[in-house]
Amino acid sequence: SQTIHQWPATLVQPVGSPLSLECTVEGTSNPNLYWYRQAAGRGLQLLFYSVGIGQISSEVPQNLSASRPQDRQFILSSKKLLLSDSGFYLCAWKGLRETDTQYFGPGTRLTVL
Amino acid sequence: GQNIDQPTEMTATEGAIVQINCTYQTSGFNGLFWYQQHAGEAPTFLSYNVLDGLEEKGRFSSFLSRSKGYSYLLLKELQMKDSASYLCAAMDSNYQLIWGAGTKLIIKP
Repeated sequence: SQTIHQWPATLVQPVGSPLSLECTVEGTSNPNLYWYRQAAGRGLQLLFYSVGIGQISSEVPQNLSASRPQDRQFILSSKKLLLSDSGFYLCAWKGLRETDTQYFGPGTRLTVL
Repeated sequence: GQNIDQPTEMTATEGAIVQINCTYQTSGFNGLFWYQQHAGEAPTFLSYNVLDGLEEKGRFSSFLSRSKGYSYLLLKELQMKDSASYLCAAMDSNYQLIWGAGTKLIIKP
């Protein structure tokens, strides 16, 4: 069966510091991968998605970037965090069929102070 | 533009039935998803509808009307553990999910 991991679970960072969040998927090959952010009491905002190694699509202009160095690894980064970057970051994977369901990792709660 | 509307909050009684509505406007349509999200946790998949009609899965059912751009999630025999947010998401012509803000369901004993 497929499993998706995210770490760290929680993170408190000062404004202006760098960020690296990692997501890995087990039990599947060539997944579509997604990074979402959820602000408190809000819906999910798609940040990036990837259909393959090195292929990244950005949905929202911001100070975040994403990379996919391996088939089942997806990394979210920032060089300098802003207060507005606080939120719940969720990684999700989807199978090869376009209408497949997205399944979420446990999430990382980021607080920027 | 693309838009999903669902009520912000609903309250129901343990053992009762509740219906959570969702209306959508998307560029193209490839199905409607419902997810459950407990506080502080990730969303978990509940249902997917692409054809009109009702899909039943245990205590949970989901309905879709493509002509009306409307879906609902029906929860029967409510239990305290059903207290959560319920997220509606429509898949557009690019196979991306457009998400609603979620409906917070409060169950009272």
